[in-house]
Amino acid sequence: EAQVTQNPRYLITVTGKKLTVTCSQNMNHEYMSWYRQDPGLGLRQIYYSMNVEVTDKGDVPEGYKVSRKEKRNFPLILESPSPNQTSLYFCASSLTTGWDEQYFGPGTRLTVT
Amino acid sequence: KNQVEQSPQSLIILEGKNCTLQCNYTVSPFSNLRWYKQDTGRGPVSLTIMTFSENTKSNGRYTATLDADTKQSSLHITASQLSDSASYICVVSARGSARQLTFGSGTQLTVLP
Repeated sequence: EAQVTQNPRYLITVTGKKLTVTCSQNMNHEYMSWYRQDPGLGLRQIYYSMNVEVTDKGDVPEGYKVSRKEKRNFPLILESPSPNQTSLYFCASSLTTGWDEQYFGPGTRLTVT
Repeated sequence: KNQVEQSPQSLIILEGKNCTLQCNYTVSPFSNLRWYKQDTGRGPVSLTIMTFSENTKSNGRYTATLDADTKQSSLHITASQLSDSASYICVVSARGSARQLTFGSGTQLTVLP
């Protein structure tokens, strides 16, 4: 089944404790992206990747890192999480660019205390 | 600055009724416009895509319209069902950059029996 998977689905952590949210797609898509979704603000792009080893900042990249060592994986790294990073995070992939239909993962709900 | 405004923010209708959701954008240069449906706690799923030359596109009971001159789009839902209860998100792409996706904050639709 073609899909985007994220892990974990739920995470509660404390300020400053490094964490990684994994994202994997099995559709051989070139484009992958991370979003956060907060009430009233909609989806905001954190980082995106056009292909392996090619990543770029989105609209809200501060406090986040990403890497794209393999085509299928695009992990999101929070080196020192803070409470304002409490949010619902979505990973998405599309065939070649962000203009193509994006397939979203199920989401990761992160709480930083 | 590119912006996408959706209205209303929320809408409650009775099962079987029709409704129309609005999306106004200032994204330029325009590439395409997508409507996504997001069920509670899940990732968005694409409903329709509209390019500059398209005025109307249907997907079952969902019909999207686009007026590129006034920079407005609407999503019309016919004979609503309980399963239509979701957030509907308008996303506009700008030509020339993979980053140039602008998301609306969504319309929360509730269909009551």
